[in-house]
Parts: sequence; structure tokens; C-alpha cells
Amino acid sequence: DVKVTQSSRYLVKRTGEKVFLECVQDMDHENMFWYRQDPGLGLRLIYFSYDVKMKEKGDIPEGYSVSREKKERFSLILESASTNQTSMYLCASRGQGPSTDTQYFGPGTRLTVL
Amino acid sequence: KQEVTQIPAALSVPEGENLVLNCSFTDSAIYNLQWFRQDPGKGLTSLLLIQSSQREQTSGRLNASLDKSSGRSTLYIAASQPGDSATYLCAPGDGGSQGNLIFGKGTKLSVKP
Repeated sequence: DVKVTQSSRYLVKRTGEKVFLECVQDMDHENMFWYRQDPGLGLRLIYFSYDVKMKEKGDIPEGYSVSREKKERFSLILESASTNQTSMYLCASRGQGPSTDTQYFGPGTRLTVL
Repeated sequence: KQEVTQIPAALSVPEGENLVLNCSFTDSAIYNLQWFRQDPGKGLTSLLLIQSSQREQTSGRLNASLDKSSGRSTLYIAASQPGDSATYLCAPGDGGSQGNLIFGKGTKLSVKP
């Protein structure tokens, strides 16, 4: 059974704190993704990675960075959290075939920045 | 830039009805199209993936069709049940960005007992 796990389901942080969100997949997938989901805006891609140590900016990378030191793990970092980063964060992974491979999602992390 | 529209935004039906959810996209250069289900406060669950060369896929009571040239996909749910209540999201794999999924805003389905 495929599995994408995220380190926390709920997280509360203060403005200015450094925040780490971690995602682990057990499917040996090359591609991993971080999205945020907000009411009325849908899912928006923050960053993605197609290989270890590789990263690409998505549609809304400002205020975020990522790290992929191992194939199974993809971390999202908020260097200095702000209230407008309060959101649901979703991690996903996908194999190498863009046509044939299903994308799998983790359960999400609901982040609140006070 | 690929844009994805899902109509209707919300739908309420009595149990047992067959229903159709619609998805349209502006750029037909796609690798595939996925349909997902999302329960409140949860992640997305993949329902069906249709490759660009395929016309439809079926899984149980679900059938998804794809008309790439006209930029449309439909998700057909047969004999709806209260457990089908969720938000359904359509996402074409964009040909211009390495197959990355572009998401619609979803259709919120409520099936009444």
C-alpha cells in the first residue's frame, strides 16, 4: 500500500519562527511536491523536486525553501513564518512517468501562524 | 497558462442518483488527467488516472472520460451513496511543465440519505 506521511497533522507557530514541515514517501518515487491549499484559491504548487538535491520553484515559492537530501524525504522550510502562511500544506509524490504515474498525497498539515 | 474549471462548484443529490461532474481545461497539451477525492480536513485520494491516449477509465461505480481535443473530462458516479459526499478535484498533467498537475477548485458533492 502506497504511503506518503507528513510529520504533523496540526501545527501552531508564532510569527518569525522557523518552521519545518517534513514529508516521507515509501514508494521510491523520483518526484515530490509541496502545495498549499486555501479556501477559494484551491491547491497551489510551492516547490517540487525531481531528484535528490534538485528543486524547482512552483507558482508561489516566495517565503519558502525546500530540502531534499534523501530520495524518500522532502522538507518544506518557512524561514520566518508570517500570518499569511497560515494554511493547509499538502505533500505529494509521483514516479518518473508523467503520463502513466499516479500522484499520491499525504494527509496534510494544518499550520496556524499567530 | 493552463486553467482548469469545474462545474458545478457544489451539488446536492438524493441517495441513489447517477451524477456527472464536469471539468474543462484550456490547453489540450496534457500528459494525463487525474480525478481526486478530498474529505474535509484531509489529503487527496486518487480515484482515476486517464492517460492522454485514453478515452475513459473505470473503477467500480466511477467512470471518467477524457476528450483532450475539446479540453473536457467528466466523472460519472453511479448509484450515489452518502459516503460519496466529498469534494472532487480534477487535475490535468500539464504538458508545458513536466506533467505537473494543475488543479481545479473542485466540486463539493453532498449525497442526502
